[in-house]
Amino acid sequence: GIQVEQSPPDLILQEGANSTLRCNFSDSVNNLQWFHQNPWGQLINLFYIPSGTKQNGRLSATTVATERYSLLYISSSQTTDSGVYFCAVNSGNTPLVFGKGTRLSVIA
Amino acid sequence: DAGITQSPRHKVTETGTPVTLRCHQTENHRYMYWYRQDPGHGLRLIHYSYGVKDTDKGEVSDGYSVSRSKTEDFLLTLESATSSQTSVYFCAIRNRGGGDYEQYFGPGTRLTVT
Repeated sequence: GIQVEQSPPDLILQEGANSTLRCNFSDSVNNLQWFHQNPWGQLINLFYIPSGTKQNGRLSATTVATERYSLLYISSSQTTDSGVYFCAVNSGNTPLVFGKGTRLSVIA
Repeated sequence: DAGITQSPRHKVTETGTPVTLRCHQTENHRYMYWYRQDPGHGLRLIHYSYGVKDTDKGEVSDGYSVSRSKTEDFLLTLESATSSQTSVYFCAIRNRGGGDYEQYFGPGTRLTVT
């Protein structure tokens, strides 16, 4: 099956700093999603981005499907950005396969 | 909000007892999923359903069964709970909007098996 690797596993930032999270996947996909799990455990949809670039406020994401990776950019980080960021992919009608996540801590 | 609720939200049970978790959705989605989340493992698929009475196994299905007798409800049953099934369980649906198939998650159920 598809393998998903995320890096870095842990990241500590000072408030206001920028960061880039990476997701590599092992096979062709037709769906890629980024999620944020907040400290209360809720999984929040950030982006549906099988290819191309999208932006939502301080967050943006780029997926290069031909090279099998996606990047999540967080600019001007805030303490509310803390939590775990997951990348998940699938192909066809198969269920999403998740990476192990990047744990982000933003310090005031 | 994709109209997903899970019940119970928290449960403590003893080893060997049966447990059923419920996922309920209000928007007539065809696909529903059960995942478990454990430290160091991310989210792993237990079972999923692609219609009423149509289900399939996921990566970690041993010790779990599911049922879907109507579109809105997807039940996950632990026939005889073990301590290794202590976890947070998430239900998800797949929403088709504008040709995209985006997955959304419920709030989760924290299960502790003592």
